[in-house]
Amino acid sequence: EIVLTQSPGTLSLSPGERATLSCRASQSISSSYLAWYQQKPGQTPRLLIYGVSTRATGIPDRFSGSGSGTDFTLTISRLEPEDFAVYYCQQYGSSQGSTFGQGTKLEIK
Amino acid sequence: QVQLQESGPRLVKPSGTLSHNCVVSGGSLSTNNWWSWVRQPPGKGLEWIGEIDHGGTTNYNPSLKSRVTISVDKSNNQFSLRLTSVTAADTAMYYCARSNNAFDIWGQGTMVTVSS
Repeated sequence: EIVLTQSPGTLSLSPGERATLSCRASQSISSSYLAWYQQKPGQTPRLLIYGVSTRATGIPDRFSGSGSGTDFTLTISRLEPEDFAVYYCQQYGSSQGSTFGQGTKLEIK
Repeated sequence: QVQLQESGPRLVKPSGTLSHNCVVSGGSLSTNNWWSWVRQPPGKGLEWIGEIDHGGTTNYNPSLKSRVTISVDKSNNQFSLRLTSVTAADTAMYYCARSNNAFDIWGQGTMVTVSS
């Protein structure tokens, strides 16, 4: 089973700042099957990024994903008030199925 | 567009079986996608339960594998989750989701409480 570890657990920033969220895998993720989700309280998770760096439909270009192998990053270039939420990384599409990271809470400073 | 709708009991007794369905509307379940179940205990993170394709091939979370069965009903365009021997630790929001370039479509979720 691939274990995903996200850091930091909580990130406190102000609107307009840049956010960098990390996701580290216990083994290399093949075929770039790494995704990021945003979840706000009381809402269903929303797909932001798939295939490491491809934005899902309707996702603003201030969201970007990067990385390879075992180290991945979600960057929000300039935080908007609606971006404060919990973010999860996920590996999918492997013969072992899927796993999620434990989440990073992005809160307003 | 494709939508997913979960249904099933919101209250399950300890040691009982949780059974939920997910109906696929606006599209066919018989496509080149996988169909998953995900859960989220109150105040906690997401946990992948397992997945199935339209041919019935399954993958399960190793920590739940002994208690989980996911099945597909192509005639009714739905897939189902069965979780046996439930305890309070299985209390969670249960979501179904489509895996097509990651989990791009989610059901609205059903909160299931395990309690006597």
